[in-house]
Amino acid sequence: TAGITQAPTSQILAAGRSMTLRCTQDMRHNAMYWYRQDLGLGLRLIHYSNTAGTTGKGEVPDGYSVSRANTDDFPLTLASAVPSQTSVYFCASSDSLSYEQFFGPGTRLTVL
Amino acid sequence: LAKTTQPISMDSYEGQEVNITCSHNNIATNDYITWYQQFPSQGPRFIIQGYKTKVTNEVASLFIPADRKSSTLSLPRVSLSDTAVYYCLVGDNNNDMRFGAGTRLTVKP
Repeated sequence: TAGITQAPTSQILAAGRSMTLRCTQDMRHNAMYWYRQDLGLGLRLIHYSNTAGTTGKGEVPDGYSVSRANTDDFPLTLASAVPSQTSVYFCASSDSLSYEQFFGPGTRLTVL
Repeated sequence: LAKTTQPISMDSYEGQEVNITCSHNNIATNDYITWYQQFPSQGPRFIIQGYKTKVTNEVASLFIPADRKSSTLSLPRVSLSDTAVYYCLVGDNNNDMRFGAGTRLTVKP
């Protein structure tokens, strides 16, 4: 199985433009998460979804939105990108009864 | 949210046992302790999780004292491929757990 896939692998984006980072999992996990990781720092939770149709705010949600229309997909949207959103973005999923999160390969985003 | 404190970095040599300690003085009754490993340019990977005493799997052991205010990840006989960043997380659900800066382990030949 593929596990979790993310697209694109990397992207350079002009400030003010919008972008959607895609995340798909094939493990039928109920919960999904979006993190950002900045150079030298740990991961910070942006948004999460405990089940399809519900979402919640994490530690750093401002400037980002998510949706969870079905179990497999959890896109992250930047409506109007700013340079401070330059980061590596990781998507993860977990079974609702487990603390083990499975992470995707990440998307490296540069906002200029 | 329980705050965790870990050493910023550690060095070791191949074949040695490595112990990384994490402090979590305000851990709550329902909180579990989870450790992740992250290699460069990859997402974190789950290593081990525990609530109290000792947990062992094929990769590592996790030691948790009775007061649960700290925990120690033990990696037996490390190799160069164990060079990575190790994160200690504490919480009762994934939404509330926080990745700190982690411990950067460097294994030398």
